[in-house]
Amino acid sequence: QQQVKQSPQSLIVQKGGISIINCAYENTAFDYFPWYQQFPGKGPALLIAIRPDVSEKKEGRFTISFNKSAKQFSLHIMDSQPGDSATYFCAARGGETSGSRLTFGEGTQLTVNP
Amino acid sequence: EPEVTQTPSHQVTQMGQEVILRCVPISNHLYFYWYRQILGQKVEFLVSFYNNEISEKSEIFDDQFSVERPDGSNFTLKIRSTKLEDSAMYFCASTPQGNLQETQYFGPGTRLLVL
Repeated sequence: QQQVKQSPQSLIVQKGGISIINCAYENTAFDYFPWYQQFPGKGPALLIAIRPDVSEKKEGRFTISFNKSAKQFSLHIMDSQPGDSATYFCAARGGETSGSRLTFGEGTQLTVNP
Repeated sequence: EPEVTQTPSHQVTQMGQEVILRCVPISNHLYFYWYRQILGQKVEFLVSFYNNEISEKSEIFDDQFSVERPDGSNFTLKIRSTKLEDSAMYFCASTPQGNLQETQYFGPGTRLLVL
């Protein structure tokens, strides 16, 4: 019930291509869905986030698409660059018994080839 | 830009020893968190802390773990008797207020290795 499932585990994209990472959740009480970017040896850094009353949010090359009925959300990275190579985690926050804790997906290791 | 800081960056300890991981949250933040990430796995919630008490904890946060805010700036995680499976990256995070919509800002982490 508290899990967030993320796919794919790894992704290789050519420079300029579109990277798509998907997440699914079960707990309908989740009320905030952030994406974090993590470089090796560093802490997760917030990339973009969405609330469930919005179906899409765009910030620069990064877009979250949110499908409340399907309980799915995805991250799209347009014009992917080698500097985007990192691990990406989706997360969900809130819920009836979970307060403000973040529940993370398993992570996607993105490699953007030059 | 203000950042969450953590010390030490790396800690090696023997099984059964006590360790204290230290964090300095962003100065105007009120909610504090510890997460851990075992190598190659996802980030897992340990505990949240507000108003000088634990507000929420996960099943991982057993009696071997404790948290404290000993002064106005530091936030610590103590593992009383470390086990091999405690080896992980430990992240501190903070948010500016109790509003559930606020972003959690993560520190760079402490890599703990238990031998």
